[in-house]
Amino acid sequence: EAGVAQSPRYKIIEKRQSVAFWCNPISGHATLYWYQQILGQGPKLLIQFQNNGVVDDSQLPKDRFSAERLKGVDSTLKIQPAKLEDSAVYLCASSLGVSGGTDTQYFGPGTRLTVL
Amino acid sequence: QKEVEQNSGPLSVPEGAIASLNCTYSDRGSQSFFWYRQYSGKSPELIMSIYSNGDKEDGRFTAQLNKASQYVSLLIRDSQPSDSATYLCALRPNSNYQLIWGAGTKLIIKP
Repeated sequence: EAGVAQSPRYKIIEKRQSVAFWCNPISGHATLYWYQQILGQGPKLLIQFQNNGVVDDSQLPKDRFSAERLKGVDSTLKIQPAKLEDSAVYLCASSLGVSGGTDTQYFGPGTRLTVL
Repeated sequence: QKEVEQNSGPLSVPEGAIASLNCTYSDRGSQSFFWYRQYSGKSPELIMSIYSNGDKEDGRFTAQLNKASQYVSLLIRDSQPSDSATYLCALRPNSNYQLIWGAGTKLIIKP
């Protein structure tokens, strides 16, 4: 079974530029998550999709970050314009989306973003 | 405030010994608990999940959950250098809530 795919793996941009990340979840997984992980910290949830609808985007800086999952499968996360503090690893995860507390998230390899 | 606390480490353990990683949490109603391992420069990978009080064993790994005392532990028996990584504790406060993550404990297994 193929895992969560992400691209690109690495990206270096200058501040105020824009960048986009792509994620393809495990086949059949209804729920997709975008996380930001800063070195030495746990993952911070940016946005959670259930199929093509947004479940939680309370921690997404909406003035500069946007995300979509138009057909309920793959997803893109965009930053425009980027700031220095956006330098982090952006992780995509997916899960079946079952209720009852046992839903398990599986992570992609991540995209390491450096903003200069 | 829902919080998950982990000692950041590093925790240094000799090869072959038992490594004990601990996680405490503030939300008494939390239902589901997960341990993820994260190698440097890699993404988190699931090691174990536990939902009921007591112990759950999987190979060299044992998760222990004590909801009354609000802690969950991960024991690694016969520690190997390949176990050196950061171990992240995560929990789900209720069935429909997002995961709450700790900052992780860095484990170093010394040959």
